[in-house]
Amino acid sequence: EDQVTQSPEALRLQEGESSSLNCSYTVSGLRGLFWYRQDPGKGPEFLFTLYSAGEEKEKERLKATLTKKESFLHITAPKPEDSATYLCACTSYGKLTFGQGTILTVHP
Amino acid sequence: GAVVSQHPSWVICKSGTSVKIECRSLDFQATTMFWYRQFPKQSLMLMATSNEGSKATYEQGVEKDKFLINHASLTLSTLTVTSAHPEDSSFYICSAPSTGIREDTQYFGPGTRLTVL
Repeated sequence: EDQVTQSPEALRLQEGESSSLNCSYTVSGLRGLFWYRQDPGKGPEFLFTLYSAGEEKEKERLKATLTKKESFLHITAPKPEDSATYLCACTSYGKLTFGQGTILTVHP
Repeated sequence: GAVVSQHPSWVICKSGTSVKIECRSLDFQATTMFWYRQFPKQSLMLMATSNEGSKATYEQGVEKDKFLINHASLTLSTLTVTSAHPEDSSFYICSAPSTGIREDTQYFGPGTRLTVL
């Protein structure tokens, strides 16, 4: 059975304090690993897709990396507007399996 | 990026009534759409896969007679919650894949908050 585990469950940072979120996965036939951002009461917003170990993608203050067993979402000098739940998901054969998410709070 | 809309964004209904939720892909066609359910402080759980021109595929434990799915066209899928009860209250989200270079990326709608009284 495919499993996706995210840690930590919640993360509180001061503005400017860089950190990383972790996503560990056990998926047979991994086709892609996705990161989404979800704000309260809204649907997930697509951030990145990673396909193979060693791949990295960046968008503003966010950088996603992928190994054979896990992915990291690095947040550099976060701002309060980066506060959200960050979801990791893996796809095999078309279906997404989500992790439980990491709730990020950035204090000014 | 691809845009997916949902309507309504929220709905309140009485127990025993049926509620229809629409999911539309606005700038691309989708032969497949997905319906998820999300409870407070929990992640998304896949309910069913909506297929244009054929029957929906339901995940284990999801009652197909209660959650009716119709994929009417290449841009529209509907989820009807029949005879809704308070335990059906939840946040329902749809997604549609937009073909990428190597793997379809799923784009999500804004969600529909259903409250059953």
